[in-house]
Amino acid sequence: AQSVTQLDSQVPVFEEAPVELRCNYSSSVSVYLFWYVQYPNQGLQLLLKYLSGSTLVKGINGFEAEFNKSQTSFHLRKPSVHISDTAEYFCAVSPSGAGSYQLTFGKGTKLSVIP
Amino acid sequence: DSGVTQTPKHLITATGQRVTLRCSPRSGDLSVYWYQQSLDQGLQFLIQYYNGEERAKGNILERFSAQQFPDLHSELNLSSLELGDSALYFCASSKETSNQPQHFGDGTRLSIL
Repeated sequence: AQSVTQLDSQVPVFEEAPVELRCNYSSSVSVYLFWYVQYPNQGLQLLLKYLSGSTLVKGINGFEAEFNKSQTSFHLRKPSVHISDTAEYFCAVSPSGAGSYQLTFGKGTKLSVIP
Repeated sequence: DSGVTQTPKHLITATGQRVTLRCSPRSGDLSVYWYQQSLDQGLQFLIQYYNGEERAKGNILERFSAQQFPDLHSELNLSSLELGDSALYFCASSKETSNQPQHFGDGTRLSIL
């Protein structure tokens, strides 16, 4: 079984400042890692994914995340946020082996960008 | 636009009733996943179908059931509804290969009065 912990439920940050949203996971098997974003009244949109290879993953909208196997973390970063980044962000994992790629999500982090 | 279509967008009904939520996956995607998003439980995996067959089951109540039809659309049936079933229900589809992520629909918001 897998579990995901997003350490901050809410993160306020000023416009053009950097931001880091933290995610830790626990799993007895190898996993793939994802970050999704949910804007109000919308579905989830994939920001980025880590499957294998380079531990630094670049995604859409200027976001990036770094996989740290020893710390079982997959923190999301952006060097300069915009008002339009205000949304809820979800970290998720899925098993990497054959079978189902069902996602286990964290509780989410609400990012509020302050003008 | 993710290409995943969910209907209806909103559903309001009463306790004890039965509803059906519908999902049309992206073209070419054989796999459909259902998730429930609620304030207290967050986002939880319910069930997955692959090419018409059930592949995986998560935290799905016995009152809930799903199926995937030959044209690959899927339906989630919720019966004997309780107040606690009020939630946003998402469908996601994928090609079910390791490098193909799930794409989510906009969800169906179910409100139980």
